[in-house]
Formats: sequence, structure tokens, C-alpha cells
Amino acid sequence: NAGVTQTPKFQVLKTGQSMTLQCAQDMNHEYMSWYRQDPGMGLRLIHYSVGAGITDQGEVPNGYNVSRSTTEDFPLRLLSAAPSQTSVYFCASSYGTGGGNTEAFFGQGTRLTVV
Amino acid sequence: AQSVTQLGSHVSVSEGALVLLRCNYSSSVPPYLFWYVQYPNQGLQLLLKYTSAATLVKGINGFEAEFKKSETSFHLTKPSAHMSDAAEYFCAVTSYSSASKIIFGSGTRLSIRP
Repeated sequence: NAGVTQTPKFQVLKTGQSMTLQCAQDMNHEYMSWYRQDPGMGLRLIHYSVGAGITDQGEVPNGYNVSRSTTEDFPLRLLSAAPSQTSVYFCASSYGTGGGNTEAFFGQGTRLTVV
Repeated sequence: AQSVTQLGSHVSVSEGALVLLRCNYSSSVPPYLFWYVQYPNQGLQLLLKYTSAATLVKGINGFEAEFKKSETSFHLTKPSAHMSDAAEYFCAVTSYSSASKIIFGSGTRLSIRP
């Protein structure tokens, strides 16, 4: 059981480059989310999805795009990388019932550096 | 809107001492509350959760937390700290009506002194 898988684990980009962070889950979860983690700021929600074909913005969406064509996959695209996007990115998934099983399961993270 | 405030970005205790990590929440609807732990260079792992059942919640590794509605608090405790407890701890909140969005606090780094 792989859970939530993120690739790559590390990435260095030049300012202005674009790239896609991959996230896949095999738990048939409806909800998926992307967070960024910066020192002293906890995890901030970038974008989230409540099911295939449905996405919405979180707290810090600028500079990022997402799509959800399947239940399993939720890629995060950086359109034109900036040094301010240097961060650790986490993908998470959770059941969509809104009941007692709302906890999120996290991937291992992608450490991104923009130079 | 929901929010979480963790008091103290860094807590240091001696091995064997009580661990107390503080979390206060704000929510206009009944909240679901979580504590997650993050070990260095790893993802987040669920410690425990409150989802409107028992107010005293027991989690993994000997941790527990008590939901106090009157104080809007969900503090994490462990009677006796172990060196392996050194990590970063995050409190988080969501609700039935907004279960797709989990809001995290800024985290508390726990250090254990020998």
C-alpha cells in the first residue's frame, strides 16, 4: 500500500522555469490538497480538490495551477518559478465524507529550490 | 473561517518530564481537531484526532489531548518525554462542512534534553 506518492523528492529550478510536481494516491480518497511548508509558518494550503474535475484555491494560490482529471492524481504546476517559491511542498489526501475520517494522509514532500 | 494558534514555536523539556504543547482554535462550527508529528525530512504523521466523540483523545506513542470547548483549546500532553519524541508538532482544524480544507498551526518544535 503506497499511500500518497510525490515526485520528485528534490528539485532545483532557475527563475522563470516551469515544472510540475506529481502527486498520486492509491486509497481512493476524494479529497486532495497541496501545501507548502516554510519555517515558522506551518503548512499553508495552496490548492485543493474535492473530486475529479473540481479544484479550488487555498490560502496561497498565486503562481500555481492544479488540475484533477482522475481520482488518483493531483499535479501541481509552477508556471514561472520565483525565488519566493523555494519551499517544501506536501501533497495530502483524505476521505470525502466529512465525518470522522477526515484526517489527511501526507506524502514525503518535495524540496524545491529556485535560484 | 477557522484558524489555529500554537503557543510557543519551540519547547524544550528534560527526558522523563511532562510534555505540554498548546493549541487554541477558532471555529464558528463544531470543529474536528488533529495533532500531527513531523520527524526531520519526513512527511506528517497523524498522532491523534478529535471528531466530537470523547473529549479526551489518546493517540500513538503515549500522547493524548483534551478538547475543551469553553477554552477553545486542544492541548497535547505526554506524561514522560522520551528522546525519540523530538520532532515538530502541528495542530490542525477542520469541520464537517469544510472537510476538504484542513488548516494548520505554525508548529511547535519539541526538543528533549538528556
